[in-house]
Amino acid sequence: DADVTQTPRNRITKTGKRIMLECSQTKGHDRMYWYRQDPGLGLRLIYYSFDVKDINKGEISDGYSVSRQAQAKFSLSLESAIPNQTALYFCATSDLGLPPYNEQFFGPGTRLTVL
Amino acid sequence: ELKVEQNPLFLSMQEGKNYTIYCNYSTTSDRLYWYRQDPGKSLESLFVLLSNGAVKQEGRLMASLDTKARLSTLHITAAVHDLSATYFCAVDGPDSNYQLIWGAGTKLIIKP
Repeated sequence: DADVTQTPRNRITKTGKRIMLECSQTKGHDRMYWYRQDPGLGLRLIYYSFDVKDINKGEISDGYSVSRQAQAKFSLSLESAIPNQTALYFCATSDLGLPPYNEQFFGPGTRLTVL
Repeated sequence: ELKVEQNPLFLSMQEGKNYTIYCNYSTTSDRLYWYRQDPGKSLESLFVLLSNGAVKQEGRLMASLDTKARLSTLHITAAVHDLSATYFCAVDGPDSNYQLIWGAGTKLIIKP
């Protein structure tokens, strides 16, 4: 079974709709992340969470919100989707090792198209 | 500004050849990560380099880290088609959050 799962895997929606992307993990990690990837580009961090009570904005948080429902669940919402939010979205998890390091483990991704 | 620069960004090569991908970064981090991504797929962790001089090898791939030069290399030996993918490097940010700073990725195409 996959350690980090994302639902849905593909979603087509229309401008102005509210969309929620969900991420679940069985790795027992405290840290969870949402990234966005556009074709030919690297990863950009949207939000991250170090525990249930700790939510932080990344470099491109405008137009997005998140909810950390439990240690294992981290959801990303687009309150009013717009076409330039069409992208591949990844959830990732990590747990600082010893010595501290931040190897992240990624879910399979959600391909979102906003028409 | 914190930067992680990879070069080349695109590489097309023949099977059997050797080549190196470079990852330069501007932070003082001594931790660097290499990931692989197949087209339309997720990112898979390849190597975690945790100190100056660290070298790790897996099959035809070898990664090294020179923290003084702020440079990591990913060397491909006798390339095979199955290694075609996009390779990303990332480093820990300078604060205690250990946020990763990502390079733009190197798209590698290996032709039979």
